[in-house]
Amino acid sequence: AQKVTQAQTEISVVEKEDVTLDCVYETRDTTYYLFWYKQPPSGELVFLIRRNSFDEQNEISGRYSWNFQKSTSSFNFTITASQVVDSAVYFCALSGPTGGFKTIFGAGTRLFVKA
Amino acid sequence: NAGVTQTPKFRVLKTGQSMTLLCAQDMNHEYMYWYRQDPGMGLRLIHYSVGEGTTAKGEVPDGYNVSRLKKQNFLLGLESAAPSQTSVYFCASTTAKNTEAFFGQGTRLTVV
Repeated sequence: AQKVTQAQTEISVVEKEDVTLDCVYETRDTTYYLFWYKQPPSGELVFLIRRNSFDEQNEISGRYSWNFQKSTSSFNFTITASQVVDSAVYFCALSGPTGGFKTIFGAGTRLFVKA
Repeated sequence: NAGVTQTPKFRVLKTGQSMTLLCAQDMNHEYMYWYRQDPGMGLRLIHYSVGEGTTAKGEVPDGYNVSRLKKQNFLLGLESAAPSQTSVYFCASTTAKNTEAFFGQGTRLTVV
């Protein structure tokens, strides 16, 4: 079975702090894909990143960075120097052949960034 | 480009009533999906379609039906609404499996 666990339900930080959102996944597939999406207060979901299981290189995009570690089945997301506009719910997701390549989402982590 | 458009944005139904949610995408995507979002549960897949004329069940299909008569449209139907179907519904589309999903704005449905 496939599963995505985001153990942090809510995180609150003060602006300019760094924050890491955890994502742990379970899958028996050797080929799979991991995603992060952002859902700001306006409600729409926005794609942030996709990573396949054969690419363990960390990725950095501006203040955002992702750490993929197959050894611990984790795909963590770090925001550096957080800003109020980063306040949102962040979802980690997994897709692979076991699930017919349907995307399974974690429960989400709500991030509050205070000014 | 409008992307993925859902109608309506809000709806209140009485128990037992029926309704159809419409999802339209203008990106020529093959795959379309319907999710529901409930507090603390993330997004759960209701039904999906891998192409025009095809549909398949997701994680929580009971109480819902779908149709994909045209490639650009994916309809979600509730034949007899129940309070347990109170949720926010999202439609999404992808070019293929494993690619990034484009989401609609969501439909907030309340069943009383």
